[in-house]
Amino acid sequence: AQKITQTQPGMFVQEKEAVTLDCTYDTSDPSYGLFWYKQPSSGEMIFLIYQGSYDQQNATEGRYSLNFQKARKSANLVISASQLGDSAMYFCAMREGQESGGYNKLIFGAGTRLAVHP
Amino acid sequence: DGGITQSPKYLFRKEGQNVTLSCEQNLNHDAMYWYRQDPGQGLRLIYYSQIVNDFQKGDIAEGYSVSREKKESFPLTVTSAQKNPTAFYLCASSMLAGGRNEQFFGPGTRLTVL
Repeated sequence: AQKITQTQPGMFVQEKEAVTLDCTYDTSDPSYGLFWYKQPSSGEMIFLIYQGSYDQQNATEGRYSLNFQKARKSANLVISASQLGDSAMYFCAMREGQESGGYNKLIFGAGTRLAVHP
Repeated sequence: DGGITQSPKYLFRKEGQNVTLSCEQNLNHDAMYWYRQDPGQGLRLIYYSQIVNDFQKGDIAEGYSVSREKKESFPLTVTSAQKNPTAFYLCASSMLAGGRNEQFFGPGTRLTVL
């Protein structure tokens, strides 16, 4: 069963506007973590933001914020004031629970390609 | 500078040949991971390791092998048994699970089978 769903294969946004990238997840584990990564055309994965399942507040990191709706199992990424350099693939990922032995395994969604237009 | 290095950046292999992808980290992380990425898709876990001389299969381990003889190094061998090895391979490392402890990624190796 697919555990991370990103329903938007591609999105575009005008420079300086905000954009929301959707992510829904499926888990029965009460303890989990959600991550967003950016992948520019160079291929390297860049960590953006993290939300723990027990965190009371939505995570924010500079222009990135996470709209975490636990009951709906969604963790949408909001990018404010888009810049041309934000054009990239964006991946949502989930880590379930505290893996036995401490493994930090991630499950990734298929990604959303964001294009920022001037 | 702390980080993860992968080599080579591009690799070409003939069918039937084994090939080894290098991954080295100087972040003093305990855990290391190998992922495969196909065009337009997300990352899929091949193998992961928490400590030296120990590693676990991920979701798509068939046709791959790894070793972890040193904490800093986690090479991946793509064997001739891997039926469709052309892909982008990413290595990552992290602290052990708990809290944020995000995975840090290397620049990747693009493998093409001729």
